[in-house]
Amino acid sequence: AQSVAQPEDQVNVAEGNPLTVKCTYSVSGNPYLFWYVQYPNRGLQFLLKYITGDNLVKGSYGFEAEFNKSQTSFHLKKPSALVSDSALYFCAGTSRNQGGKLIFGQGTELSVKP
Amino acid sequence: NAGVTQTPKFQVLKTGQSMTLQCAQDMNHEYMSWYRQDPGMGLRLIHYSVGAGITDQGEVPNGYNVSRSTTEDFPLRLLSAAPSQTSVYFCASSYSYPGTISYEQYFGPGTRLTVT
Repeated sequence: AQSVAQPEDQVNVAEGNPLTVKCTYSVSGNPYLFWYVQYPNRGLQFLLKYITGDNLVKGSYGFEAEFNKSQTSFHLKKPSALVSDSALYFCAGTSRNQGGKLIFGQGTELSVKP
Repeated sequence: NAGVTQTPKFQVLKTGQSMTLQCAQDMNHEYMSWYRQDPGMGLRLIHYSVGAGITDQGEVPNGYNVSRSTTEDFPLRLLSAAPSQTSVYFCASSYSYPGTISYEQYFGPGTRLTVT
């Protein structure tokens, strides 16, 4: 069965420190991976995606993610966290043979303190 | 562009009642989908559509119906509401099919549904 896992329910970071939000996947075939962010009482916003090519993907708001095929991971990173980065982050994955079905991880609450 | 719009924002139903959650997009996107969000479970796909007249089931389709008569609209129907359907519902659309290079979804603001 296909799955996407985010092993941490919550990540706490001090402002200015680097942050990492973890994601692992189990998808048959070549994976297509995504990160979305959700602010309180809002819908999800697209951050970045990996389809093919460079393993390091750059996205919105200074975020980047590293695709690691051997570890089946797609961790979200940012060199210097901002208080405004505090939100709920979702990793999602699919592949060409999934017939339109995107699988989401359970979400990680990121809290950045001043 | 208004993007993806959803109505209503909030709804309370009694068990057994029916209702339709509305979703519309003005970006001429072919692909539309419905998700439900429950604490600790992420988003789960209910139904999706790859174009007008074409729909298919997602991960949790039971208790929900959809139709896609136009490119713009993708309503979700609850025929007989149950407390297990208490959730936040999100509609999303994208230009192309998942698994293609240009695929990324745009989400509506959500509908918070409570079934008592």
